[in-house]
Amino acid sequence: GQQVQQSPASLVLQEGENAELQCNFSSTATQLQWFYQSPGGSLVSLLSNPSGTKHTGRLTSTTVTKERRSSLHISSSQTTDSGTYLCAIENYAQGLTFGLGTRVSVFP
Amino acid sequence: SVLLYQKPNRDICQSGTSLKIQCVADSQVVSMFWYQQFQEQSLMLMATANEGSEATYESGFTKDKFPISRPNLTFSTLTVNNARPGDSSIYFCSSRKGQGDSDYTFGSGTRLLVI
Repeated sequence: GQQVQQSPASLVLQEGENAELQCNFSSTATQLQWFYQSPGGSLVSLLSNPSGTKHTGRLTSTTVTKERRSSLHISSSQTTDSGTYLCAIENYAQGLTFGLGTRVSVFP
Repeated sequence: SVLLYQKPNRDICQSGTSLKIQCVADSQVVSMFWYQQFQEQSLMLMATANEGSEATYESGFTKDKFPISRPNLTFSTLTVNNARPGDSSIYFCSSRKGQGDSDYTFGSGTRLLVI
């Protein structure tokens, strides 16, 4: 079945630092989304990026489809960015397969 | 984008009882899904809720244990039958609007504790 691997597993940042999160997947993905999960558990969609580069606010995602990898860049991190970042892929509208996530902690 | 309203937000139930979780979309969606997340683990797809027909279950999940209904394009319920402590986790509903919108949205989750 599909596999999604994320790295690093965790990341500690000082406020203002940048971060790059990686996502590698084992099979063809018709859709790729990055999510943020708060410490309380709620899930928020950040970016939908099956190919190319997309930006929103301080986030930039670059997906290289043929190499089955995606990255999420966080610039000028803030303490409110702390939480878990999840990468998920879809294979032909059959729901999403999630990675284990990268737990990000940003300290002042 | 679609908003999903999920309730209850959390519940505690006794072993052997059943719990029903509801998910309502603020507009019609082509696809609805249910996920399970154990603490410190990622989300696992349980099933696809099909309108007017039986849900399609992923490996490890059955309709006897987790019956799912989807009577229309905006509503779905997940029932946890014969709840056990091992069912304690967060349950999320999700939707994919379809028709050119391939993004997935998620409900706020239901945190279940079975004692």
